[in-house]
Amino acid sequence: KAGVTQTPRYLIKTRGQQVTLSCSPISGHRSVSWYQQTPGQGLQFLFEYFSETQRNKGNFPGRFSGRQFSNSRSEMNVSTLELGDSALYLCASSRGGTSYNEQFFGPGTRLTVL
Amino acid sequence: GENVEQHPSTLSVQEGDSAVIKCTYSDSASNYFPWYKQELGKGPQLIIDIRSNVGEKKDQRIAVTLNKTAKHFSLHITETQPEDSAVYFCVTDAGANNLFFGTGTRLTVIP
Repeated sequence: KAGVTQTPRYLIKTRGQQVTLSCSPISGHRSVSWYQQTPGQGLQFLFEYFSETQRNKGNFPGRFSGRQFSNSRSEMNVSTLELGDSALYLCASSRGGTSYNEQFFGPGTRLTVL
Repeated sequence: GENVEQHPSTLSVQEGDSAVIKCTYSDSASNYFPWYKQELGKGPQLIIDIRSNVGEKKDQRIAVTLNKTAKHFSLHITETQPEDSAVYFCVTDAGANNLFFGTGTRLTVIP
């Protein structure tokens, strides 16, 4: 069974630009969550989608947005990039329903903002 | 919001010794307490989890304990091996459909 895939794996952008990251969940998983990982703040929850609907949102500015498609694939978008947005962005999928479902993480997309 | 504190931030042990990582949380609504292991260049991977109606759970060399009254939970790894070297995260759900991660413990097992 294929795991969670994220594209691209590495990305370099400049301040003010926007970026779109993609996540393909494990087949059959309907929930996709996004996390930001930085050395200073650790792993922080961005948002979670289930059946194309955003169910939960973390404490991030509106520049961070996401969506989920009917095939459960998800994208997240960051507009007007800032230096502090440099991080590893992790996507996790689960069958959905409750937080008791194991979340399977992808390898992440390393975003560098110059 | 939920606040998960994790100690120690780094831990070095000799191969074969035990390692213990401790966490506290603040939200009494938390009911699910997974532990994730993150190896270099990879995403976190679930290694064991415990629910609020259970005080202890063991899976081979790994065990977790939970004290819901005190809002403490711990990870115990016995007979450590070099492949146990990684960053470990304690996690809670705060009763919601998302996870709150601790700050992580970098475990190094010295051969």
